[in-house]
Amino acid sequence: GAVVSQHPSRVICKSGTSVKIECRSLDFQATTMFWYRQFPKQSLMLMATSNEGSKATYEQGVEKDKFLINHASLTLSTLTVTSAHPEDSSFYICSANRREVDTEAFFGQGTRLTVV
Amino acid sequence: GQSLEQPSEVTAVEGAIVQINCTYQTSGFYGLSWYQQHDGGAPTFLSYNALDGLEETGRFSSFLSRSDSYGYLLLQELQMKDSASYFCAVDTGRRALTFGSGTRLQVQP
Repeated sequence: GAVVSQHPSRVICKSGTSVKIECRSLDFQATTMFWYRQFPKQSLMLMATSNEGSKATYEQGVEKDKFLINHASLTLSTLTVTSAHPEDSSFYICSANRREVDTEAFFGQGTRLTVV
Repeated sequence: GQSLEQPSEVTAVEGAIVQINCTYQTSGFYGLSWYQQHDGGAPTFLSYNALDGLEETGRFSSFLSRSDSYGYLLLQELQMKDSASYFCAVDTGRRALTFGSGTRLQVQP
């Protein structure tokens, strides 16, 4: 089956630093990938849609200058949390569909970010 | 705004049947999905309904009524490994998902 790989799985960083999270589609090309954030015991909230070769589309209330998204190839999207603060500590998950017509989304393993 | 309502917790015993309901109110609707998530893990796809009716996949079935903005996930022959959180999610277009609040299912021996 389709596999989406996310790296790193866990990261601890200091306040004010930046952290980059990678999301790769391993056996298919993804022109679109999605980034979600999940706080403990809460739902997944869509942050942005990553579009290969063009700018990401951000959801209302998500700061695009803080959460930089780059989709430079058909198999890789990156999310950079810039100038991280403790309130950015969360579980970040990416997903992709094998084809746009497919209804099944494949999720990466998630990245648990802790900002100290 | 967009909202999907689910019960927060459900408890059942092994071998039983449990139904998790989901009502939604969204600006766009292409289909209703269900995902399972174990603690600390990634969501995994269970089912998708675009049209009214029942979809069956092994022990899991999912139902949709678009006129009622309502769906449910039915889990049969419950097993301990089914203890997890279950999310309904609406595809609002472009395959972007709006998730419900999640239902924590606890299966007891």
